Amino acid sequence: EAQVTQNPRYLITVTGKKLTVTCSQNMNHEYMSWYRQDPGLGLRQIYYSMNVEVTDKGDVPEGYKVSRKEKRNFPLILESPSPNQTSLYFCASSLSGRQETQYFGPGTRLLVL
Amino acid sequence: GENVEQHPSTLSVQEGDSAVIKCTYSDSASNYFPWYKQELGKGPQLIIDIRSNVGEKKDQRIAVTLNKTAKHFSLHITETQPEDSAVYFCAASTNFGNEKLTFGTGTRLTIIP
Repeated sequence: EAQVTQNPRYLITVTGKKLTVTCSQNMNHEYMSWYRQDPGLGLRQIYYSMNVEVTDKGDVPEGYKVSRKEKRNFPLILESPSPNQTSLYFCASSLSGRQETQYFGPGTRLLVL
Repeated sequence: GENVEQHPSTLSVQEGDSAVIKCTYSDSASNYFPWYKQELGKGPQLIIDIRSNVGEKKDQRIAVTLNKTAKHFSLHITETQPEDSAVYFCAASTNFGNEKLTFGTGTRLTIIP
């Protein structure tokens, strides 16, 4: 089944404790991105990647890192999480870019205490 | 950068009636406008999109209209059904420059049986 998977689905952590949210797609998509969803603010793009080793900042990249060492994986790294990073995070992928259907993962709900 | 405003933030309609959600965008170079539907506990899913070379696109009960001069586009859902209850997001992007996709803030649509 074609899908985008994220792990973990739920995470409670404390300020400053490094964490990684994994994202994997099995559709051989080149374009992958991360979004955060907050009430009243909609979906905001954090980072995106056009292909392996090619990443760029979205609208809200501060406090986040990403890497794209393999085509299928695009992990989101929070090196020193803070409470304002409490949010619902979505990974998405598309065949080759932003002007194609984005396939979203199921989301990761993060709480930073 | 691009800014997308979406209205209303919440919308309740009687089953069988029509629902209209409107978005405005700021970048006159934007030429791709997708709409995503997010059901409870799931990631967003593309329902329809339109490119700037057409003014309207229909898919069964769903239609999108685009007014490039006024820089706004709208989602129309006719003969609404309970399964249309969800959060809807509009988005916009250009086809040059960075690879960002900018979303609106979302509309929670509730269909009243």
